[in-house]
Amino acid sequence: DAKTTQPTSMDCAEGRAANLPCNHSTISGNEYVYWYRQIHSQGPQYIIHGLKNNETNEMASLIITEDRKSSTLILPHATLRDTAVYYCIVRVAQGAQKLVFGQGTRLTINP
Amino acid sequence: GAVVSQHPSWVICKSGTSVKIECRSLDFQATTMFWYRQFPKQSLMLMATSNEGSKATYEQGVEKDKFLINHASLTLSTLTVTSAHPEDSSFYICSAAPLAGGYNEQFFGPGTRLTVL
Repeated sequence: DAKTTQPTSMDCAEGRAANLPCNHSTISGNEYVYWYRQIHSQGPQYIIHGLKNNETNEMASLIITEDRKSSTLILPHATLRDTAVYYCIVRVAQGAQKLVFGQGTRLTINP
Repeated sequence: GAVVSQHPSWVICKSGTSVKIECRSLDFQATTMFWYRQFPKQSLMLMATSNEGSKATYEQGVEKDKFLINHASLTLSTLTVTSAHPEDSSFYICSAAPLAGGYNEQFFGPGTRLTVL
């Protein structure tokens, strides 16, 4: 699986959009970009995934660059409950494939 | 959504004892479940892949005789930490991938915090 690079930490004001970047310059053609988050002392939570088109669901939007070497997770209206560590993971789109977690981005939403 | 439970949510045991942690997929079946370990302020580290009806696949550096995995059914996997020692104290998390329904993601349990005295 391709390696990802994320900033160690970010801050965002409550109510504003939180934009979390991820670099994955070695991504292969059959690999998807997955985002999970982990709130303190809980199991990770799936957020969204995509291949090359932008994706949106009730939690977030995923913007993938045309060359697929980077992506951005957008939380449109961040709340205090969005404070968590966010993990960007690249792998083939098969549920039974293992996930390899990097260090992620610690996002803090400030009131 | 798909729900995964773990039991117990926390456990404290004496050094040298064994501890069993259960991971259940509540509303879906999964042939494959995964076990992770997370130390304070660190990321999740995959320990092993649990396959229903066959032996688990362990990641490099994980002792299979110390961390026994049994995947007895399509909804249950167990992790037994044998002869636990204080260095085994950690947050243990499982995940499962639904067998059907077109899911391409995994769903995680809430984790089990193990403290070995």
